[in-house]
Amino acid sequence: DAGVTQSPTHLIKTRGQQVTLRCSPKSGHDTVSWYQQALGQGPQFIFQYYEEEERQRGNFPDRFSGHQFPNYSSELNVNALWLGDSALYLCASSLLAARAYNEQFFGPGTRLTVL
Amino acid sequence: DAKTTQPNSMESNEEEPVHLPCNHSTISGTDYIHWYRQLPSQGPEYVIHGLTSNVNNRMASLAIAEDRKSSTLILHRATLRDAAVYYCILQYNNNDMRFGAGTRLTVKP
Repeated sequence: DAGVTQSPTHLIKTRGQQVTLRCSPKSGHDTVSWYQQALGQGPQFIFQYYEEEERQRGNFPDRFSGHQFPNYSSELNVNALWLGDSALYLCASSLLAARAYNEQFFGPGTRLTVL
Repeated sequence: DAKTTQPNSMESNEEEPVHLPCNHSTISGTDYIHWYRQLPSQGPEYVIHGLTSNVNNRMASLAIAEDRKSSTLILHRATLRDAAVYYCILQYNNNDMRFGAGTRLTVKP
């Protein structure tokens, strides 16, 4: 089992550009969450996808959008990049079931630098 | 939103127990208490979780106060590989986790 994989590992963009980050969940998982982690801070929840729809969303502008595919993989898109978007972007997968708790498995992240 | 409060940093000696505290005075009755840790250059990894009772697993123990307003993560014998940032998180709405700044644990040989 490869676990959660993310691509690319690193990315450099300039202000105003658009970026797409990709995530493949752990085998058997159906839910993908995205987080932004600025340097020295904890991860901040962006949104979560389940059954190809956005299920929950954190306090992020609509420049941040996502997609989930039928195979459960997911993309995070960020438009009109700001310098402040420079961060580690983490993807986490889980299995959304009837029970109240599900462990999340995190990928290694994509380091985005905006110049 | 209920929040957690943790010390910014803690130090421990190798092979000694470590008690990492977390305050969550505004926790609601259905919130789960999670602990994740993040090793350098890695994504966070699950450590343990609980609701009301104390919990043990192969990595750690979780002691939850009777009023649930605080909890303590216990590493029974710290190793150098346990050096990481430890996050105490309250779960909302199944899978919507809000991380704080965490506690940076340094383990000295």
